[in-house]
Amino acid sequence: GAVVSQHPSRVICKSGTSVKIECRSLDFQATTMFWYRQFPKQSLMLMATSNEGSKATYEQGVEKDKFLINHASLTLSTLTVTSAHPEDSSFYICSANIGTVGEKLFFGSGTQLSVL
Amino acid sequence: GQNIDQPTEMTATEGAIVQINCTYQTSGFNGLFWYQQHAGEAPTFLSYNVLDGLEEKGRFSSFLSRSKGYSYLLLKELQMKDSASYLCAVRDRAGGFKTIFGAGTRLFVKA
Repeated sequence: GAVVSQHPSRVICKSGTSVKIECRSLDFQATTMFWYRQFPKQSLMLMATSNEGSKATYEQGVEKDKFLINHASLTLSTLTVTSAHPEDSSFYICSANIGTVGEKLFFGSGTQLSVL
Repeated sequence: GQNIDQPTEMTATEGAIVQINCTYQTSGFNGLFWYQQHAGEAPTFLSYNVLDGLEEKGRFSSFLSRSKGYSYLLLKELQMKDSASYLCAVRDRAGGFKTIFGAGTRLFVKA
């Protein structure tokens, strides 16, 4: 099956710093990638849809200037958490699918962000 | 918008059968997925339904009724390793085929 690589797997940072998370599709081209956030014992909440070569589409309530998404190529999307604060501590996970109809999501391994 | 409901927690005994229900409301239904997730890990794909009926895959089966907005995941011959969260997810044509997840059902399998 398709492989999605996500780095880093764990980040611990000080409040106020910015953190970049990378998501790569290794053996397929992903024109669209999805970024989710998951708090402990809760489900995945869609943050934004990342489109190659265009602006990301953010879900209601997600701050565009806080969570910067760049999808510069067909195999790479990045999520930057700017000026991170403790409340941003969460599990961030990217995903992609092949095609548009009925395809399951292939997930990255996730990034556990802890902001001190 | 979308709305997906599933039970928060369930407990079952090793070797038994358990059914996890999911109801959904969406404007542009384009498929229903079930994923398994262990704590701290990425979700793992279990099943996909887009037409009404039952899809069987080994110990796991999934059912869909589009007219009722209802699905269930059936796990047979439960094993301790099946203790995990089970996520019901719906794909929606609206907004670019995004997949929305339910809150998940935490399944505890006891000996």
